[in-house]
Formats: sequence, C-alpha cells, structure tokens
Amino acid sequence: EVQLVESGGGLIQPGGSLRLSCAASGFTLRSHWMHWVRKAPGKGLMWVSRMKDDGSFTRFADAVEGRFSMSRDNAKNTLYLQMNSLRAEDTAVYYCVREADFWDGYSSKNYYGLDVWGQGTTVTVSS
Amino acid sequence: DIQLTQSPSSVSASVGDRVTIACRASESISRFLNWYQQEPGKAPKLLIYAASNLQSGVPSRFSGSGSGTEFTLTISSLQPEDFVTYYCQQSYSSQWTFGQGTKVEIK
Repeated sequence: EVQLVESGGGLIQPGGSLRLSCAASGFTLRSHWMHWVRKAPGKGLMWVSRMKDDGSFTRFADAVEGRFSMSRDNAKNTLYLQMNSLRAEDTAVYYCVREADFWDGYSSKNYYGLDVWGQGTTVTVSS
Repeated sequence: DIQLTQSPSSVSASVGDRVTIACRASESISRFLNWYQQEPGKAPKLLIYAASNLQSGVPSRFSGSGSGTEFTLTISSLQPEDFVTYYCQQSYSSQWTFGQGTKVEIK
C-alpha cells in the first residue's frame, strides 16, 4: 500500500525550531517530487514547499522562505521539513504529499498534481 | 505568485442538486489546474487534474472544465458525502498555490 506517515509535530514556543519527518512506503521516494502543504485552524490549504526527486531543487512559499528548509534521504525513503523561527501563524496541520505526473496525449504535455497525502502532523506555536 | 480566487466561498444545496464552483487565476495557467476535496479532519483528495481529467476512482458526477484563467468544478448530482470543502490548485508556476476553498453545505 502506498503510504506517507508524518511525525515530529508538537507544541513549540515562538522563535523555536522543529523538524518534521515523512516516511514513505509502497513506492520509491527517489522517483517523485515531494511537497509539504499545511492547513491552519479555520483556514484553507496553503502550499508550503516542494523538492525535486533528487533533492537538487527546492521552492518555498513566500510566508516561509528563509525560515523553512526541506531535505530528503532517498535511501531511507524519508522526507524532512526543518522549521526555524516559528511564529504563531505557522500553527497548522502539516501534510507530506507526493507529486504525480500525468501525461496528456491530446496536448502532448505533462501535468502535475498531488496524488498521495499523509495523515498530517499538528504543529502548535504558542507560549 | 499566482493568486487563485474561488467563488462562491460557500454554497447551500440539496441532495441531487447540480453545483458549480468557479476558480479564477490572476494570470494564464493553461490547464495546470487541479481540484481537491477535503472532509473535516481528513487529508485532501485529488479529484480532477489538468483542469478536466478525472482522477482514478473518483465518481463520474464530478467534472472539470476551463483553461487560461477561468475554471469550473461541477458536481452533477450532489450525494450526502459531497457536502465538504473543495479547493482548486495551480501547478503552472514554481510556487504552487491553492484557492481559498468552497464549502458545500446542506440547505
């Protein structure tokens, strides 16, 4: 079964750091771009970051740029999100998500979507 | 970054109704537009990719259309399990973004 399991969430004081982990099973992590998406209480989904399959490229949302970083250990089939200088507004459920490539023969293009989601891990930033 | 605006933010409907949700992009994104469904307390689920393609296992009452800046998600006949929240999302730019969400409520 294809599965993503996040861990590492918890209660952290403002300004603190936390590292989330995401263990992949049922597929080969090195074959996929991976993302983090979060949902704050009472708010909508927010895309956080993405990383290329080989770890050579990352991109972040403006709200977390410079504070968050991503890494991956393809040998361990594990993805990480390092979160520094945490703020109250970073409080959310954080999802680890797999990117899928879809080939459209009509337009001869690849399209991209988020097809496998973890169950999420909760991060609460509060004093 | 590319902004996605969904409308309406919420809609009240009955079982069996047809519902349409719109998503407008701040610039052209071709057909790099996906739709997700999220139940409370659960992870989102991919419904539609590349604007109009049904993800495997998704019921055929869901459909998507559009290109450029204007997109729609249509549920042809609402079922009880469809009264949840829907999000559009673009994968055109290097920074992906989601719309703010549309909650479908029971009338």
